[in-house]
Amino acid sequence: RKEVEQDPGPFNVPEGATVAFNCTYSNSASQSFFWYRQDCRKEPKLLMSVYSSGNEDGRFTAQLNRASQYISLLIRDSKLSDSATYLCVVNPRDDKIIFGKGTRLHILP
Amino acid sequence: SAVISQKPSRDICQRGTSLTIQCQVDSQVTMMFWYRQQPGQSLTLIATANQGSEATYESGFVIDKFPISRPNLTFSTLTVSNMSPEDSSIYLCSVEDGGRPYEQYFGPGTRLTVT
Repeated sequence: RKEVEQDPGPFNVPEGATVAFNCTYSNSASQSFFWYRQDCRKEPKLLMSVYSSGNEDGRFTAQLNRASQYISLLIRDSKLSDSATYLCVVNPRDDKIIFGKGTRLHILP
Repeated sequence: SAVISQKPSRDICQRGTSLTIQCQVDSQVTMMFWYRQQPGQSLTLIATANQGSEATYESGFVIDKFPISRPNLTFSTLTVSNMSPEDSSIYLCSVEDGGRPYEQYFGPGTRLTVT
């Protein structure tokens, strides 16, 4: 099993819809989890950290399921500007983080 | 968060030559990282650059091929040596900028093409 796995997509979603994607991780001792967003030909940017109790930032909600070893990202009322690749990032061991390959999201007008 | 710049933003180089990429941060940071992102792939950590000590390289990356300097807390360089077309990639530096551990912020990247 890969350390971090994501569905590569693409997810083609109409504007205004809700979309969710998951990311699974293999190391049950992982402590820190993040979602990054990467626009085409740009650097990754931190979208949000994922806390054990789940957290929300505007239209974005991140959740952690330790029992099943996955994190999720929910985007409500999607905008055209949400089109990007979303990278799942996990800290499986000290001082290292592992990036998933990303899930491509296309918001359709 | 820290503002990070990289030079050059892109370059086209001949095989066998070397390129040095610079990473400048607008504040002092302890941890700086160098990543590679090959076309259609995610990010792979090359090494961690700490000021005052040698860089720590990940499996598959060696100092002779990717020498790194970290002369102070705001600057680092990565050299890609004796380049081959397989080195064509985007190279990114990143920093941990306080806040929550392992939260990293990235420079804009250097797009390298080796012919």
